[in-house]
Amino acid sequence: NAGVTQTPKFQVLKTGQSMTLQCAQDMNHEYMSWYRQDPGMGLRLIHYSVGAGITDQGEVPNGYNVSRSTTEDFPLRLLSAAPSQTSVYFCASSYSEGRWEKLFFGSGTQLSVL
Amino acid sequence: AQTVTQSQPEMSVQEAETVTLSCTYDTSESDYYLFWYKQPPSRQMILVIRQEAYKQQNATENRFSVNFQKAAKSFSLKISDSQLGDAAMYFCAYRSGRTGNQFYFGTGTSLTVIP
Repeated sequence: NAGVTQTPKFQVLKTGQSMTLQCAQDMNHEYMSWYRQDPGMGLRLIHYSVGAGITDQGEVPNGYNVSRSTTEDFPLRLLSAAPSQTSVYFCASSYSEGRWEKLFFGSGTQLSVL
Repeated sequence: AQTVTQSQPEMSVQEAETVTLSCTYDTSESDYYLFWYKQPPSRQMILVIRQEAYKQQNATENRFSVNFQKAAKSFSLKISDSQLGDAAMYFCAYRSGRTGNQFYFGTGTSLTVIP
């Protein structure tokens, strides 16, 4: 099973460049989210989506855009990369199992902005 | 936003010994869920254990158990008989039972297991 697939695994950008981090899941999960992981900061929620066509902001949304045109895909766009966006990015999807929400993570994208 | 605090950036334990990782959280809600995730060097996030706030009984998964103190808003993880494969970053996480799917993570504790 593929689960949650993130591409690329590594990326180096120059300040001001734009790019899209791809995330796809094959488990038909309604909920998907993007986190960034920084040393000493843990994982912080950037944006999330509760279904196709519906997105909302998390804790640290500035500088990032998302869209959800299909259930499977949830790309994260950096419109004008800044050094402060150097981080490891995780995509996650989840589904409800009774009262529980089971969270599945991708393997992460290491992004460096020079 | 909820706050999850892990006050131990780094911990170490001798192989076969027991170690406890601390986590506190701040919430005014009564319905919520708590989790411990493990992140080895591979970067994969792995669910270790989870706890429902309304359950008094502490969760246990093999060598992993929690000490859930709801009044104190404390959720510590105990790893018994530590193994080399337990070496990883451990994250405590909170999810509201009311607002749904958003998870809030602590800053992590890096655990080293000494042979």
